[in-house]
Amino acid sequence: NAGVTQTPKFRILKIGQSMTLQCTQDMNHNYMYWYRQDPGMGLKLIYYSVGAGITDKGEVPNGYNVSRSTTEDFPLRLELAAPSQTSVYFCASSPLVPDTQYFGPGTRLTVL
Amino acid sequence: AQTVTQSQPEMSVQEAETVTLSCTYDTSESDYYLFWYKQPPSRQMILVIRQEAYKQQNATENRFSVNFQKAAKSFSLKISDSQLGDAAMYFCAYRSAGVETSGSRLTFGEGTQLTVNP
Repeated sequence: NAGVTQTPKFRILKIGQSMTLQCTQDMNHNYMYWYRQDPGMGLKLIYYSVGAGITDKGEVPNGYNVSRSTTEDFPLRLELAAPSQTSVYFCASSPLVPDTQYFGPGTRLTVL
Repeated sequence: AQTVTQSQPEMSVQEAETVTLSCTYDTSESDYYLFWYKQPPSRQMILVIRQEAYKQQNATENRFSVNFQKAAKSFSLKISDSQLGDAAMYFCAYRSAGVETSGSRLTFGEGTQLTVNP
């Protein structure tokens, strides 16, 4: 099993550009999450999903959008990138609540 | 809202010695889960240990153990026989037992950077 995979690993964006961060899990987990980690800080929840077709906002959703059309995929969309979105983004999944969350390797995004 | 506090931004330990990382949390819930995650320079988040709040027995995983004090809302991590590979950022995290709180998201502390000296 690959677990949770994320692409790309690194990306540099210019202010105002858009992009999609991809997240895929092959463990048939219902719950999926997007977190961001700013330098020297813990992770904060951006969006989450409890199943295909169901998404909801976390702590810091502004500037982002998500969709969940399949159990496996949970892409995160950045519209009009801003320097404040420079961060490391982690996708995670969990089979049941309140089971352990499994994390992808992260995407380091820089907005210049 | 729940909060997690790690009061030690940095800690260091000699190889083969024991170190304890502190974590306190604030919640009004009675049923929840606590975790320690390790983040090495590769940035991968690796689960170290988990504790169910309803269990009085402290969790252990090989050289890693916790001291869970529910009344004091304290959850410290003890690393015995420290190894060079233990050097990493360690995060304490809280998760509600129910799905009502953002699908049971994890609430993280700000981390403790552990250095292991040879």
